[in-house]
Amino acid sequence: DQQVKQNSPSLSVQEGRISILNCDYTNSMFDYFLWYKKYPAEGPTFLISISSIKDKNEDGRFTVFLNKSAKHLSLHIVPSQPGDSAVYFCAAYNFNKFYFGSGTKLNVKP
Amino acid sequence: NAGVTQTPKFQVLKTGQSMTLQCAQDMNHEYMSWYRQDPGMGLRLIHYSVGAGITDQGEVPNGYNVSRSTTEDFPLRLLSAAPSQTSVYFCASSASSGYNEQFFGPGTRLTVL
Repeated sequence: DQQVKQNSPSLSVQEGRISILNCDYTNSMFDYFLWYKKYPAEGPTFLISISSIKDKNEDGRFTVFLNKSAKHLSLHIVPSQPGDSAVYFCAAYNFNKFYFGSGTKLNVKP
Repeated sequence: NAGVTQTPKFQVLKTGQSMTLQCAQDMNHEYMSWYRQDPGMGLRLIHYSVGAGITDQGEVPNGYNVSRSTTEDFPLRLLSAAPSQTSVYFCASSASSGYNEQFFGPGTRLTVL
């Protein structure tokens, strides 16, 4: 059973608006979370991370929120740009192992 | 600085054949790992290594072997390929285990007939 889930396979957003990508996890032992972005025929690239001792981390247009009580993670992209169109994976870490969600394909329309 | 390199980019095997997927990194990273990506499943950890001479199993290790004789290289061996191993394989590395971003290679697309 997947320990990290991304329940929305796809998301379409207008350029300039906010994109919100969601991720849920089941293992309360996870203590570090990451988001990766992936273009076709390339490996994933790191976007942003958050430790379980925090509830928010920002980096430019990207903000990750962590709600530990709900075991929920979200990535906000503001404003969204057409170049943000890609597949986004969330990942969670515990004791030398990373667990990935199934990904959300974001399409930002010009 | 090439980062993480993987060879080959594409490979077609027949059932029962064996092969080795190569992975190398030039960042002196201690932690290296192998994932497979299947449609609707995300990336699943096959094996990982926290340093030269140390390897351990991930979520889906069956049918795969690894070794880590040097810091730079982390090859993945398919012992007897099966159609269920058709997938895209990614190698990744990070400065140390855990609380660091991983750098991924470009992937190897493997088809087993």
